[in-house]
Amino acid sequence: DAKTTQPPSMDCAEGRAANLPCNHSTISGNEYVYWYRQIHSQGPQYIIHGLKNNETNEMASLIITEDRKSSTLILPHATLRDTAVYYCIVRPAFGYSTLTFGKGTMLLVSP
Amino acid sequence: EPEVTQTPSHQVTQMGQEVILRCVPISNHLYFYWYRQILGQKVEFLVSFYNNEISEKSEIFDDQFSVERPDGSNFTLKIRSTKLEDSAMYFCASREGQGTDTQYFGPGTRLTVL
Repeated sequence: DAKTTQPPSMDCAEGRAANLPCNHSTISGNEYVYWYRQIHSQGPQYIIHGLKNNETNEMASLIITEDRKSSTLILPHATLRDTAVYYCIVRPAFGYSTLTFGKGTMLLVSP
Repeated sequence: EPEVTQTPSHQVTQMGQEVILRCVPISNHLYFYWYRQILGQKVEFLVSFYNNEISEKSEIFDDQFSVERPDGSNFTLKIRSTKLEDSAMYFCASREGQGTDTQYFGPGTRLTVL
């Protein structure tokens, strides 16, 4: 099973920031935090990943706590198209390792 | 932007029939994966493939399943004798190489077994 804990659902108003939390208290030193999302049974879409530093790309920002036991995905200006299930996944840095998906957080962005 | 493609988008088959789901990974990628998602459930790993052989497989991936890279571009999943419980979305994914390389997923094939 996935070694992460996420709230089952969250709501966000369009145009506001969406902050999605994830707990990964058993993360080990060589494991990265990955975020994917899945829009209505489409293929999972990569968003961002990080090891210990905060990361930002054109889609989102990832804030990882100093002890690495939790992280927050931030969508700075959520749109209706950001309505999706968001998955937080920890994965070793090396090897063939696969992605283990949990149930994720269903984010509903409303007008 | 390069992307993983999958065909067909929807496959309907009778129980007991063989099906082949096709994927074209991103061209310079070396690692290939199949995942499935039964309606309303989690995305589950099936198999990973590297250097023309299976590198890892889950307990779901039994003798009824096989994978192949028949040429330099396609990656296929074959189900030899489909069962009702094989009905699901099947996603192909690929990644470039080792390390922190990201897996990129295709749009999926919806398999319906009647």
